[in-house]
Amino acid sequence: QQPVQSPQAVILREGEDAVINCSSSKALYSVHWYRQKHGEAPVFLMILLKGGEQKGHEKISASFNEKKQQSSLYLTASQLSYSGTYFCGTHPLNAGGTSYGKLTFGQGTILTVHP
Amino acid sequence: GAVVSQHPSRVICKSGTSVKIECRSLDFQATTMFWYRQFPKQSLMLMATSNEGSKATYEQGVEKDKFLINHASLTLSTLTVTSAHPEDSSFYICSARIPGQFNEQFFGPGTRLTVL
Repeated sequence: QQPVQSPQAVILREGEDAVINCSSSKALYSVHWYRQKHGEAPVFLMILLKGGEQKGHEKISASFNEKKQQSSLYLTASQLSYSGTYFCGTHPLNAGGTSYGKLTFGQGTILTVHP
Repeated sequence: GAVVSQHPSRVICKSGTSVKIECRSLDFQATTMFWYRQFPKQSLMLMATSNEGSKATYEQGVEKDKFLINHASLTLSTLTVTSAHPEDSSFYICSARIPGQFNEQFFGPGTRLTVL
């Protein structure tokens, strides 16, 4: 089942902060975050694993609340280059405590940063 | 990060023809690749999982005879859209997975298919 992202769209001025949320109805093994610019493929931003490990860019932060099955992406001091559509992808947790390795993406959050 | 290429980047074809899209992992070996389709202003919808040396696994509602997938080597997967129709026009994106704890997926640049 597709994770739900909120908000659907955000408009910011350069330097402002934003938070994008991703909620799942299933227990999760990991959450992956991507940014996609128009006409291009998604670019990897960050992965958060059940248990607390993370891998991603230094300037982007995110959190993963396993109990609530939610993840949030924090964009601070936004730049014009941050504009794009942000997708979270989730790996459900299987009975063995790992994942099936197949990402299901949310519907996306459109972020627009103005000068 | 890992590099995944896709070819062609854009293709226009007539209705009824077949189109082949290649996906290559350039600097790593990928036993598993994924094919997605994305319509304008929508999310990425997984079509199938391509496994090297075995048959692809298709998602519900995706016709395997129409979307032929071959994963003949650890660095190449191909998607062939057979007898394409205008409703098949879309942005097709592949990704390759690096196996391990994080199961990172890196996406190719995508192929814009337009069927006239």
